Amino acid sequence: EVQLVESGGALVQPGGSLRLSCAASGFSFSDYWMTWVRQAPGKGLEWVANINQDGDEKYSVDSVKGRFTISRDNAKNSLYLQMNSLRVEDTAVYYCARDAYKSWYDHWGQGTLVTVSS
Amino acid sequence: DIQMTQSPSTLSASVGDRVTMTCRASQSITTWLAWYQQKPGKAPNLLIFKASTLEIGVPSRFSGSGSGTEFTLTITSLQPDDFATYYCQQYYNYSYTFGQGTKLEIK
Repeated sequence: EVQLVESGGALVQPGGSLRLSCAASGFSFSDYWMTWVRQAPGKGLEWVANINQDGDEKYSVDSVKGRFTISRDNAKNSLYLQMNSLRVEDTAVYYCARDAYKSWYDHWGQGTLVTVSS
Repeated sequence: DIQMTQSPSTLSASVGDRVTMTCRASQSITTWLAWYQQKPGKAPNLLIFKASTLEIGVPSRFSGSGSGTEFTLTITSLQPDDFATYYCQQYYNYSYTFGQGTKLEIK
């Protein structure tokens, strides 16, 4: 069974940093693109970033460029999102998802809440 | 960036009804479109990809159609479990934008 479990969400002050993790199991992690999607409270879904199987091809939404970095460790079956210079508008539930090659997302984690507030 | 617009924002229907919701892209995305269902407090669940291909395990009362800029998600014979919010998502280019969602509520 495919499982994705996010962790690392917390309350952080504006300008602060946070690192999210996503532990994957039940599939060959190194064979798949992976993605982070976020959802602000009461709002819709927003794609944040994705990464290829080897970690050498990455894309991100303009609003997080230069602040967020997606990475992965295939030996640990883990996906990460390093978030720096956090803003109030980054407050959201962050989901990791398995990405069927830069396309649709067929498995999602349960999400981890990031709250940016003073 | 490609903008995705869903309509209506809210759809009221009864168990047993057939409903259709629409997703429009600001430019052609051929058939590079997915639909997701999301219930409150839960992660989204993939329903359809490539505009019309049903994900494994999704009931056949769900169907998708369209190409280019206009797409529809149809649910025949609504079940109580179907009342949720539905999102479309384009993956034609790397910005991977979602629509704002259609909330399907019980009439």
